[in-house]
Amino acid sequence: GAVVSQHPSRVICKSGTSVKIECRSLDFQATTMFWYRQFPKQSLMLMATSNEGSKATYEQGVEKDKFLINHASLTLSTLTVTSAHPEDSSFYICSARPSEDTQYFGPGTRLTVL
Amino acid sequence: KNEVEQSPQNLTAQEGEFITINCSYSVGISALHWLQQHPGGGIVSLFMLSSGKKKHGRLIATINIQEKHSSLHITASHPRDSAVYICAVPGSYNTDKLIFGTGTRLQVFP
Repeated sequence: GAVVSQHPSRVICKSGTSVKIECRSLDFQATTMFWYRQFPKQSLMLMATSNEGSKATYEQGVEKDKFLINHASLTLSTLTVTSAHPEDSSFYICSARPSEDTQYFGPGTRLTVL
Repeated sequence: KNEVEQSPQNLTAQEGEFITINCSYSVGISALHWLQQHPGGGIVSLFMLSSGKKKHGRLIATINIQEKHSSLHITASHPRDSAVYICAVPGSYNTDKLIFGTGTRLQVFP
């Protein structure tokens, strides 16, 4: 099946630093990728929809200046958590959509901000 | 807004048992996803279905569009099936956006 990778899988950083997470579709092209966040024992929550070549669409309550999304190519989207704080510690998951109604999920990135 | 409910929330089983997890949603959809999330967090897409039934190994997913209900079955369950199973449907206003159920935590004991 289709594969989506994320890098890094785990990151620990100090408060105030920025962290970049990469999401790649390895064997298909995706004009649309999605970024989700999951807090412990909660459902995935969509943060933003990343469209190749255009600005990301953010969900209500998600700060676009804090969570920078760049979808520079059909196989890569990046999420940068700027000036991270402990409350940003979470599990970040991306998914990629090769066609309508199909999404393949990445393995996730666990961010811990000290 | 599409609402998704899963039951049960938690499920324990002995190895070999037949497992059923249910998902109900409130608004008509084009397709429903079943996902598996292991303790490490990674998510695997198990099925995407819009009608009828799909089977992959010991996993079977069914959907009844009229009743807005889907079930995920695991036959001959095994401890490695222990995970959280999540159903997800497209949002009613924005079909790009998946609405996720809260998940069913399954533990299979040897």
